[in-house]
Amino acid sequence: AQKITQTQPGMFVQEKEAVTLDCTYDTSDPSYGLFWYKQPSSGEMIFLIYQGSYDQQNATEGRYSLNFQKARKSANLVISASQLGDSAMYFCAMIQTGTASKLTFGTGTRLQVTL
Amino acid sequence: EAGVVQSPRYKIIEKKQPVAFWCNPISGHNTLYWYLQNLGQGPELLIRYENEEAVDDSQLPKDRFSAERLKGVDSTLKIQPAELGDSAVYLCASSHSTGGIHTDTQYFGPGTRLTVL
Repeated sequence: AQKITQTQPGMFVQEKEAVTLDCTYDTSDPSYGLFWYKQPSSGEMIFLIYQGSYDQQNATEGRYSLNFQKARKSANLVISASQLGDSAMYFCAMIQTGTASKLTFGTGTRLQVTL
Repeated sequence: EAGVVQSPRYKIIEKKQPVAFWCNPISGHNTLYWYLQNLGQGPELLIRYENEEAVDDSQLPKDRFSAERLKGVDSTLKIQPAELGDSAVYLCASSHSTGGIHTDTQYFGPGTRLTVL
């Protein structure tokens, strides 16, 4: 069974600093995808970034990058130059390629950006 | 391009009453998902549709929950009768799934926050 672990229930970061949100996963399937979503207080889950298990390079999307360490089964999200609007819940999620198509989420990390 | 639309955004009902949630996916997305998100948790899949067909409803409590996607576009999720433990956020998501590759990104709506009194 696939499992996602986010060990940081809450994080603080100062504006303009970088922050890393941790995510580890467990799966026996060699083919899978990893996602990060942002959920502000409004409730909508906003897609941030995707990493495929066979991708050779770490994914990047603007200020977001995914530090993918396959051997350690970790997929940490790095946010550079934090902004006040980055304050939200962040969820790591995994999907297994194939017929399962089930997105499994971690419990989330609440990020608070301070002045 | 319009995102996933859900209504209502908030719903308060008394236990044992019925309730229904509506979702309109992103245009052209053939796969639609309903998720349940309890407070302090990540979302959990209730049901997944590919076009009109429910291809994964293993997590849907079928004694009180039902869903439909009659024309392969919008969808309704119903609870009858509602229980106190059903208080949660119900999220709808959609994706454009191609062939057997199911890593297509899921885009979520704003959710419906249900409170059962």
